[in-house]
Amino acid sequence: DAGVTQSPTHLIKTRGQHVTLRCSPISGHKSVSWYQQVLGQGPQFIFQYYEKEERGRGNFPDRFSARQFPNYSSELNVNALLLGDSALYLCASSFHYSRNTEAFFGQGTRLTVV
Amino acid sequence: AQSVTQLDSQVPVFEEAPVELRCNYSSSVSVYLFWYVQYPNQGLQLLLKYLSGSTLVKGINGFEAEFNKSQTSFHLRKPSVHISDTAEYFCAVSQGGSEKLVFGKGTKLTVNP
Repeated sequence: DAGVTQSPTHLIKTRGQHVTLRCSPISGHKSVSWYQQVLGQGPQFIFQYYEKEERGRGNFPDRFSARQFPNYSSELNVNALLLGDSALYLCASSFHYSRNTEAFFGQGTRLTVV
Repeated sequence: AQSVTQLDSQVPVFEEAPVELRCNYSSSVSVYLFWYVQYPNQGLQLLLKYLSGSTLVKGINGFEAEFNKSQTSFHLRKPSVHISDTAEYFCAVSQGGSEKLVFGKGTKLTVNP
């Protein structure tokens, strides 16, 4: 079975640009979460979606937005990119948003803002 | 608010030696606890989890961890490490199983021959 797939794997953008990152969850999983991992730090929670509804939001500016589609895939959008947005963006999927389920992570998208 | 402290940022050990990676958490409510491993340029892989029940949890690759509620700790142990265990290890906590994981800053384990 395919795991969590993220695209693209690497991306270079210029300050001020917009970026869209994509995530396909494991088949049957209805919850998708996004995390930002800055070099040398642990991942930080950005968003969680379940059944296309936002279930949680971390402490990130409004430049960050996300959505979940009817097939449960998800997009993370970041506007007006800053140098500090350079990070590994991880997507995780789970069957439910809680209920003793575990999160499975994708390989991540490495975003570099120059 | 929940938080996780990983007490050691780097742990060097020799092959076949035992290792313990320390993790303390703070939370005002019951939590679920996890250890993830991250190999270079990869995502996170779940090593083990504590949701309820026995406080000694066994995971993959010979790792185990013990939940200690009184000391708010969830230390990861392996009796004999291999070169292939070289990676970064993250402790995480959540209120729901997969809901908003809060991670520590990570411990880089380096296993030397």
